[in-house]
Amino acid sequence: DAGVIQSPRHEVTEMGQEVTLRCKPISGHDYLFWYRQTMMRGLELLIYFNNNVPIDDSGMPEDRFSAKMPNASFSTLKIQPSEPRDSAVYFCASSPTNGRPQETQYFGPGTRLLVL
Amino acid sequence: QQPVQSPQAVILREGEDAVINCSSSKALYSVHWYRQKHGEAPVFLMILLKGGEQKGHEKISASFNEKKQQSSLYLTASQLSYSGTYFCGTAGGSNYKLTFGKGTLLTVNP
Repeated sequence: DAGVIQSPRHEVTEMGQEVTLRCKPISGHDYLFWYRQTMMRGLELLIYFNNNVPIDDSGMPEDRFSAKMPNASFSTLKIQPSEPRDSAVYFCASSPTNGRPQETQYFGPGTRLLVL
Repeated sequence: QQPVQSPQAVILREGEDAVINCSSSKALYSVHWYRQKHGEAPVFLMILLKGGEQKGHEKISASFNEKKQQSSLYLTASQLSYSGTYFCGTAGGSNYKLTFGKGTLLTVNP
């Protein structure tokens, strides 16, 4: 299996620009998660989906952030407009159900975002 | 609320053992343990669910004390490859809303 795929791997943009991060989960996984990691705040859950439906978006920092999952094999996280404090590593992860209430989360390689 | 991990950092020689602790102020349904090497993604180690169900690597063990809202990760006969930052993630219910601790930096030297 190819694992969770994220693109781009690195993104440098200027303040005010729109940023779109992309994720392809592992085939057959019905949960998808977006995390943000910074030195100050650590690893934070932003939003997660189950069967393409957003379940909990309470971690989304503000209205500038939005996430979509139009189908089982693709999700986007969009920041508009971007600000320097959005600089972080953004991870996407996916998880199967396997009949258990919680299962292993498989993380993608991450997108390193720098907003100047 | 963010779980508290201890110690913040530990240095070992190859072959030594280590224990990493994770403590929460709220009731827990599950604890997830991950290891992250510098510049890489977190990698799954263990998941412990309320009621005793566990899943994880055969060379790593962990405990989950539901009453004390604590979990410990036991690394025995450490290898150089064990170096990295260890995170615990906790969930208060069967939903997937994990809150991660700040991490424990483990360094294994030859």
